[in-house]
Amino acid sequence: SQTIHQWPATLVQPVGSPLSLECTVEGTSNPNLYWYRQAAGRGLQLLFYSVGIGQISSEVPQNLSASRPQDRQFILSSKKLLLSDSGFYLCAWRLAGGTGELFFGEGSRLTVL
Amino acid sequence: AQSVTQLGSHVSVSEGALVLLRCNYSSSVPPYLFWYVQYPNQGLQLLLKYTSAATLVKGINGFEAEFKKSETSFHLTKPSAHMSDAAEYFCAARLSNTGNQFYFGTGTSLTVIP
Repeated sequence: SQTIHQWPATLVQPVGSPLSLECTVEGTSNPNLYWYRQAAGRGLQLLFYSVGIGQISSEVPQNLSASRPQDRQFILSSKKLLLSDSGFYLCAWRLAGGTGELFFGEGSRLTVL
Repeated sequence: AQSVTQLGSHVSVSEGALVLLRCNYSSSVPPYLFWYVQYPNQGLQLLLKYTSAATLVKGINGFEAEFKKSETSFHLTKPSAHMSDAAEYFCAARLSNTGNQFYFGTGTSLTVIP
């Protein structure tokens, strides 16, 4: 069966520090991968999605970047965090094509101080 | 442009009462539609999905939703609320001809009163 893991689960970082959140999917090949951010009390904001290795689509210009170095690995990064980067980050995957729904990871809580 | 609207950011029901969470979509073609549930500090879990088969879709935990094209709606219902249903619920849509973009509503927080 397919599983998705993201880490770390919780992160407290000072303003201006770098960020790296990782997401790995197991049990499938060539998934579409997504990063969402959920601010407190708000809905989901799509940040990036990827349909293949090295293929990244950015939905919102911002302080963050994403990379997909391997087929089932998706990384969210920042060189210098801002206070506004605080939030709950969710990685998700789905099978390319068809009617596939999104499957979400457990989430990473980022607090920037 | 595709959008999903959830009426009511907060809904309260008594334990044992009917749960009704509203979702409307805007699309020139019927999209694929999904309902997700999120418990505090967790990821989203799929409750059910509509993919142009039966208009009444049954999901997990006793939830169901009905696709109504004439009303562009996909409301989520459960006949009898349980305390464990208290959570955030998200409606989402994906156009069948674009593939990659999912459009989420802003969510409805369900409170169940004992």
